[in-house]
Amino acid sequence: GAVVSQHPSWVICKSGTSVKIECRSLDFQATTMFWYRQFPKQSLMLMATSNEGSKATYEQGVEKDKFLINHASLTLSTLTVTSAHPEDSSFYICSARDSVGTDTQYFGPGTRLTVL
Amino acid sequence: GESVGLHLPTLSVQEGDNSIINCAYSNSASDYFIWYKQESGKGPQFIIDIRSNMDKRQGQRVTVLLNKTVKHLSLQIAATQPGDSAVYFCAEDLSSSNTGKLIFGQGTTLQVKP
Repeated sequence: GAVVSQHPSWVICKSGTSVKIECRSLDFQATTMFWYRQFPKQSLMLMATSNEGSKATYEQGVEKDKFLINHASLTLSTLTVTSAHPEDSSFYICSARDSVGTDTQYFGPGTRLTVL
Repeated sequence: GESVGLHLPTLSVQEGDNSIINCAYSNSASDYFIWYKQESGKGPQFIIDIRSNMDKRQGQRVTVLLNKTVKHLSLQIAATQPGDSAVYFCAEDLSSSNTGKLIFGQGTTLQVKP
């Protein structure tokens, strides 16, 4: 089956620093990847759509200058949380959709970000 | 606004029993629905999907039913096992242009008692 990985699986950082999270499709190519945020005991909230070779599309209320997305290849998208603050602490999850074939989205294992 | 929601936040069942998890959606134009399972600290795992031109789809031990008349989606798990304990989300693809943007419901926690 299709596998999506994320790195790191968890990160703790100081307030004001920037953190980069990687999302990789391991055995398929993905022209489109998605980034979600999930707070404890809540559902997933779509943050942005990452398009290979073009600018990301952000959902309403998500600051594009704070959450920088780069989708430089068909297997890698990165999310950088800039100048992180404690309220950015959350579980960040990416998903990828195979460029060829079904509409099924495959999710990564998530990255737990804790900002002190 | 449009939303996808779940009827019950927690469902507790006995091991071996069948489980039914429900979901209501509000966008009658949606044509693709997915059920995901999420274990604690992990990403969602695809279970089964269904398109609006179908009313039933079966997988291994799981069945998804779609009632477009009342905009209701359900996930049935046969012979529930302890490993099925998790949070289950329904998701709805709102985009008619198939962009893949999913809206998730609030989730139902399934607890399986041994």
